[in-house]
Amino acid sequence: EVQLVESGGGLVQPGGSLRLSCAASGFTFSNFWMHWVRQAPGKGLVWVSRINSDGSSITYADFVKGRFTISRDNAKNTLYLQMNSLGAEDTAVYYCARGKGSGSEDYWGQGTLVTVSS
Amino acid sequence: DIQMTQSPSSLSASVGDRVTITCRASQSISSYLNWYQQKSGKAPKLLIYAASGLQSGVPSRFSGSGSGTDFTLTISSLQPEDFATYYCQQSYSALPYTFGQGTKLEIK
Repeated sequence: EVQLVESGGGLVQPGGSLRLSCAASGFTFSNFWMHWVRQAPGKGLVWVSRINSDGSSITYADFVKGRFTISRDNAKNTLYLQMNSLGAEDTAVYYCARGKGSGSEDYWGQGTLVTVSS
Repeated sequence: DIQMTQSPSSLSASVGDRVTITCRASQSISSYLNWYQQKSGKAPKLLIYAASGLQSGVPSRFSGSGSGTDFTLTISSLQPEDFATYYCQQSYSALPYTFGQGTKLEIK
């Protein structure tokens, strides 16, 4: 069974940093692109970033460029999102998702809540 | 960025109804269009990929169609478990993979 489990969310002050993790199991992690998608409270889905299977190709949404870094450790079957210079607008549930060949995301984690507030 | 516009934003329907949700892209995206279902407090679930591909395990009452800029998601006979919010997403351009604003499907 494919499982994605995010962790690392929490309350952080404006300007602070957090690192999210996504532990994958039930599939060959190193064969798949992975994505981060976020959802602010009561709002819609917003794609954040993606990384290819070996980490050599990375794409970010403009609003996180220079602040967030996506990475992966295929030996540990884990995806990461390092988030720096956080602002209130970054408050959201962050989901990791597995990429499907068509560019869709076919499996999602349960999400981890990041709250940026003083 | 490619903008995705869904209509309607909300919809009331009854069990057994046929429902259609529309998604329009601001430029041609070929068939790189995906549909997701999200229930309250849960993660999104992939329903349709590449405009018309039915994701494994998804009931056949869900179908997708379209290409270029105009796409539809159809639920042929609404079931109680289908009341949720639906999102379209374009994956034609990776910069970024934009979602529509969502369509909330409610019980009439």
